[in-house]
Amino acid sequence: GESVGLHLPTLSVQEGDNSIINCAYSNSASDYFIWYKQESGKGPQFIIDIRSNMDKRQGQRVTVLLNKTVKHLSLQIAATQPGDSAVYFCAEISGAGSYQLTFGKGTKLSVIP
Amino acid sequence: DTGVSQDPRHKITKRGQNVTFRCDPISEHNRLYWYRQTLGQGPEFLTYFQNEAQLEKSRLLSDRFSAERPKGSFSTLEIQRTEQGDSAMYLCASSLDRFGGASNSPLHFGNGTRLTVT
Repeated sequence: GESVGLHLPTLSVQEGDNSIINCAYSNSASDYFIWYKQESGKGPQFIIDIRSNMDKRQGQRVTVLLNKTVKHLSLQIAATQPGDSAVYFCAEISGAGSYQLTFGKGTKLSVIP
Repeated sequence: DTGVSQDPRHKITKRGQNVTFRCDPISEHNRLYWYRQTLGQGPEFLTYFQNEAQLEKSRLLSDRFSAERPKGSFSTLEIQRTEQGDSAMYLCASSLDRFGGASNSPLHFGNGTRLTVT
């Protein structure tokens, strides 16, 4: 069925380096995408979102890229810090009046000091 | 803290007992959602409210589950006759949508209620 998935389950990066977390989605009708960060014992925390009429959106130290041609989403974190260590989820909402946010399994980011 | 608040944070119950969780959304948010998350997985949608109306329910929401949002503010999720398979983190989220139609604003999550059924 339609699903949101991630290419890499774990990612280790050196403090100060840039991180790239990738996500593939299969529902071509999806029109809204969100990246969440989840720390142990906490709920998902909103990072950044992007709508399907955009290719790129930037926030503070984060950039989301959307490639609708290949149904690919990525989250770039600049100058990764130890506080960025967490599990990152991409999530999508399909069009056609859906209210369901569909999550992938997540990528665990570990920052090496 | 004006974020989404959930109570209790942890609940341990014996199989067959009933449990009820509460969620207080961000005060001006008109939409409220319940999700369930098991270890190592992403959250899974359970149900959604627009104000006090429950507009969408997942097939995951068996007849042992019931959710209410009586005044369009806080919500409760009740699980009757709990089973060990109900053990999970139950997450509540809220959002503000001014334009109607499909959701187009980010969901803000609480820190969840972790349920353990023994």
